[in-house]
Amino acid sequence: EAQVTQNPRYLITVTGKKLTVTCSQNMNHEYMSWYRQDPGLGLRQIYYSMNVEVTDKGDVPEGYKVSRKEKRNFPLILESPSPNQTSLYFCASSPRVSRDTEAFFGQGTRLTVV
Amino acid sequence: EDQVTQSPEALRLQEGESSSLNCSYTVSGLRGLFWYRQDPGKGPEFLFTLYSAGEEKEKERLKATLTKKESFLHITAPKPEDSATYLCAVNPNSGYALNFGKGTSLLVTP
Repeated sequence: EAQVTQNPRYLITVTGKKLTVTCSQNMNHEYMSWYRQDPGLGLRQIYYSMNVEVTDKGDVPEGYKVSRKEKRNFPLILESPSPNQTSLYFCASSPRVSRDTEAFFGQGTRLTVV
Repeated sequence: EDQVTQSPEALRLQEGESSSLNCSYTVSGLRGLFWYRQDPGKGPEFLFTLYSAGEEKEKERLKATLTKKESFLHITAPKPEDSATYLCAVNPNSGYALNFGKGTSLLVTP
């Protein structure tokens, strides 16, 4: 089954404790991205990657890191999480970066930083 | 600056009562406009892509249209299972980001 898989689905952590949210897609998609979704603010892009070893900042990259060492994986790293990073996070992938491609989203990771 | 505005924020309909959701956008150039459906606690699910003014696409009770400044999602004779948040997003020519509106929360009551 074609899908984008995120882990974990739920995470509660303490301020400053490094964490990684994994994202994997099995569709051989070139383009992957991370979003956060907050009430009243909608979905905002954190980082995106157009292919292996090619990443760039989205609208809200502060406090996050990403890497794309393999085509299928695009982990999101929070080196020193803070309470304002409490949010619902989504990973997405698209076949390629062009006009006719829609994004497929993962099931989400609900992160709470206390 | 690219902007996507959806209205209304929330909409309550009776089953069978048709209506439209609006997505107005300001972008330097439009590569594509996307509609998604999102159920509570789940990731957005793709519905439609529109590329140029005048284009229309249909799927079951949903029909999406596009002009140079806005897109409409028409819902004909909705059912309770159509209740969800509907998101509009644009992919501008100027970059590779997908810019989302804040969504319209639709509730269809029996």
